[in-house]
Amino acid sequence: DAMVIQNPRYQVTQFGKPVTLSCSQTLNHNVMYWYQQKSSQAPKLLFHYYDKDFNNEADTPDNFQSRRPNTSFCFLDIRSPGLGDAAMYLCATSRSPGGTDTQYFGPGTRLTVL
Amino acid sequence: DQQVKQNSPSLSVQEGRISILNCDYTNSMFDYFLWYKKYPAEGPTFLISISSIKDKNEDGRFTVFLNKSAKHLSLHIVPSQPGDSAVYFCAARDPTNAGKSTFGDGTTLTVKP
Repeated sequence: DAMVIQNPRYQVTQFGKPVTLSCSQTLNHNVMYWYQQKSSQAPKLLFHYYDKDFNNEADTPDNFQSRRPNTSFCFLDIRSPGLGDAAMYLCATSRSPGGTDTQYFGPGTRLTVL
Repeated sequence: DQQVKQNSPSLSVQEGRISILNCDYTNSMFDYFLWYKKYPAEGPTFLISISSIKDKNEDGRFTVFLNKSAKHLSLHIVPSQPGDSAVYFCAARDPTNAGKSTFGDGTTLTVKP
């Protein structure tokens, strides 16, 4: 089945130790998004790729970076995780950034920072 | 400043009754609204949407109502089933901001058998 896959589902890292979260999709969608969601809060958009074009949100800390080496894969790099970065990280895809296209979400990666 | 608000963190309803989930927004530029449903340990999945040119959209047991003047939308589930127990997110899209969606904090619906 076409889907959005996130690996790993649970990630534990140490304070300040770089970590990379992975997302892949078989939907062949043009847009891939990364959201951060903390407990009982709305998913917060960090950035998105429209094809190869990277679009950063104004309030996304520099500590968060992303790579999209090809259509199928997108990575979230946290260069120096702090305790406040512990959250669920959701990857999503859509055919286009707007219009009536919906977003398809992966199951998320829960990041713990020790 | 949160542009999409779901003021009820939780809602409990008896099986077979109606569930009404509410969402308020502040940005008059939003032109498309979506509801997502999220089960534990899964990502949100799309449920139903409505364009700002409509005031109602129905899909089976799910109906979304939009009141543009009040900047308010609601999701009605009739009849509610235990399998509907989940977190429901309201999202709104701004065509003037690259069509990005803004999400509310979610409402946890519990449908009791």
